[in-house]
Amino acid sequence: DTGVSQDPRHKITKRGQNVTFRCDPISEHNRLYWYRQTLGQGPEFLTYFQNEAQLEKSRLLSDRFSAERPKGSFSTLEIQRTEQGDSAMYLCASSSDRASGEKLFFGSGTQLSVL
Amino acid sequence: GEDVEQSLFLSVREGDSSVINCTYTDSSSTYLYWYKQEPGAGLQLLTYIFSNMDMKQDQRLTVLLNKKDKHLSLRIADTQTGDSAIYFCAETSTGRRALTFGSGTRLQVQP
Repeated sequence: DTGVSQDPRHKITKRGQNVTFRCDPISEHNRLYWYRQTLGQGPEFLTYFQNEAQLEKSRLLSDRFSAERPKGSFSTLEIQRTEQGDSAMYLCASSSDRASGEKLFFGSGTQLSVL
Repeated sequence: GEDVEQSLFLSVREGDSSVINCTYTDSSSTYLYWYKQEPGAGLQLLTYIFSNMDMKQDQRLTVLLNKKDKHLSLRIADTQTGDSAIYFCAETSTGRRALTFGSGTRLQVQP
């Protein structure tokens, strides 16, 4: 296993379109996180899954955003009716609950540009 | 709420030591982290420290924690050009899964 994998790496879309991103975590990790990073800023937490259960959601996650992790393995993040303000890098991370201290391993991210 | 602050930029010469500083506001912070991000890449966990520790050393990296002042630093010994990147400080507390990140410090290493 080579780490957290995200697809696509880049996505350009027009305002109002829907987009979906995929994340494949490290195989033995049961915790999965989505973060958003804008230029010049650190990542901001969006949501967290323990296995298939979505246990935490940030206020940043408006009702246009939905995340799923149906079988406790890969996850998808969908943004409906995209807005220019959604342009950002969307980062996925995973960790194991057998490790203390929330050591997150990040993927390379999906860069979203909304025109 | 939780807040983490870092200086924006640091420039050092190759072979010198680099010290990147971070302050945080949450007095219940339990875990503190340093991540490295290279252009176009995700974040790589460099090291972390529990709040009951004052110092942690890992090869060229030394983390110092002053819990009273809520100050964290990362020292990189013998800095190399490959260390040029953005360094993020992050924190969380027991029971909170979300990490709060600073805005990052861009380290430039001059040959």
